Amino acid sequence: QKEVEQDPGPLSVPEGAIVSLNCTYSNSAFQYFMWYRQYSRKGPELLMYTYSSGNKEDGRFTAQVDKSSKYISLFIRDSQPSDSATYLCAMSAWSGNTPLVFGKGTRLSVIA
Amino acid sequence: DAGVTQSPTHLIKTRGQQVTLRCSPKSGHDTVSWYQQALGQGPQFIFQYYEEEERQRGNFPDRFSGHQFPNYSSELNVNALLLGDSALYLCASSWGGGQGGTDTQYFGPGTRLTVL
Repeated sequence: QKEVEQDPGPLSVPEGAIVSLNCTYSNSAFQYFMWYRQYSRKGPELLMYTYSSGNKEDGRFTAQVDKSSKYISLFIRDSQPSDSATYLCAMSAWSGNTPLVFGKGTRLSVIA
Repeated sequence: DAGVTQSPTHLIKTRGQQVTLRCSPKSGHDTVSWYQQALGQGPQFIFQYYEEEERQRGNFPDRFSGHQFPNYSSELNVNALLLGDSALYLCASSWGGGQGGTDTQYFGPGTRLTVL
């Protein structure tokens, strides 16, 4: 079993839809959770950073962490074609500065 | 403020050759981490440099080595290249003294290495 599991998709939604992206993990030591967005042939761009359990909102993006279920989610409201990218979840045990363990990424297409 | 920069953008090598990739961290950052991202996969941690020392290392053979310079820039060296080393190599920088959200890693655009 991989430490971080993420459905690779692809996921295709119409413009304006609410998108839900998820990851599960097995290492209970993970405390720091991140979502990165990666456009084709580019480096990952940090979207959200969350410590421990709870919710965090930033504009159209909401990150949720449920440590009891070892499950994290990213919600995108009012999705736009410019949101079309691969979304990577990442996590670490000690801080955001320490080695990150990534999921495989979910490829999202938002259709106009 | 320049973000993380990497050079070269693309590189083509043949099996058995050696390659050096370069990274300049974001202004104010002192820690550099290197990741390998194979096609269709998430990035995998190679190693991290802080204060010119290798601080942590992932599950990569010692063909992969690195260096950090006094200005915090870094190099990744790969010897005896294999076909399986073809990947996007990502550099990420962060501030070693950060915490609670200020310690996040920012990635460069990557160097795409093709081994023939």
